[in-house]
Amino acid sequence: QVQLVQSGAEVKKPGSSVKVSCKASGGTFSSYAISWVRQAPGQGLEWMGRIIPILARVNYTQKFQGRITITADKSTSTAYMELTSLRSEDTAVYYCAKGGYPLFSFDYWGQGSLVTVSS
Amino acid sequence: DIVMTQSPDSLAVSLGERATINCKSSQSVLNSSNNKNYLAWYQQKPGQPPKLLIYWASTRESGVPDRFSGSGSGTDFTLTISSLQAEDVAVYFCQQYYSPLLMYTFGQGTKLEIK
Repeated sequence: QVQLVQSGAEVKKPGSSVKVSCKASGGTFSSYAISWVRQAPGQGLEWMGRIIPILARVNYTQKFQGRITITADKSTSTAYMELTSLRSEDTAVYYCAKGGYPLFSFDYWGQGSLVTVSS
Repeated sequence: DIVMTQSPDSLAVSLGERATINCKSSQSVLNSSNNKNYLAWYQQKPGQPPKLLIYWASTRESGVPDRFSGSGSGTDFTLTISSLQAEDVAVYFCQQYYSPLLMYTFGQGTKLEIK
């Protein structure tokens, strides 16, 4: 049983950056991917990217290339997602989820971190 | 881009009745090398993260009630709730994985309510 606990809500100014953390417990952290999925208010789900610690591989969807960095600290079983050059459209709940490798589906999710971008 | 289109956008069903949600992919999600459909279904209740219900199009996740079932192959898929319970009120999403582009794409969601 894997549990993912994310950092708290953030309010950011346009043009700034945000870094969200996701601490995993249970399971073997390095052996699976952690993906990041966001959900704008009242909207659907959007996959942003993933990290596979055991393979030292990171993949991003093209939409966020150049603005997103996903990292992982195996010593603390924590994954991070940093998004730069924030704009109002980035206001969303950001979820980390176990999945994307080796399985394509996402079977455990963090509780979500609300990021609000406002001047 | 791969587009997942769900229908209907919203649905009202009486308690104990069947609910059916459809999902259509713009590209086939069937992997010919292993004959598996890379299609999953999730349930999301207000203020909660999504919960995985079905993967490989028809395999129920552990602990999911057997009133939930998935079917379909290639580009057309269906989630069926055989006998709607009050706790099934939620938004349901389909999700696909398309390996050539390393893309994970979700449908827009279907809101399920009690009639």
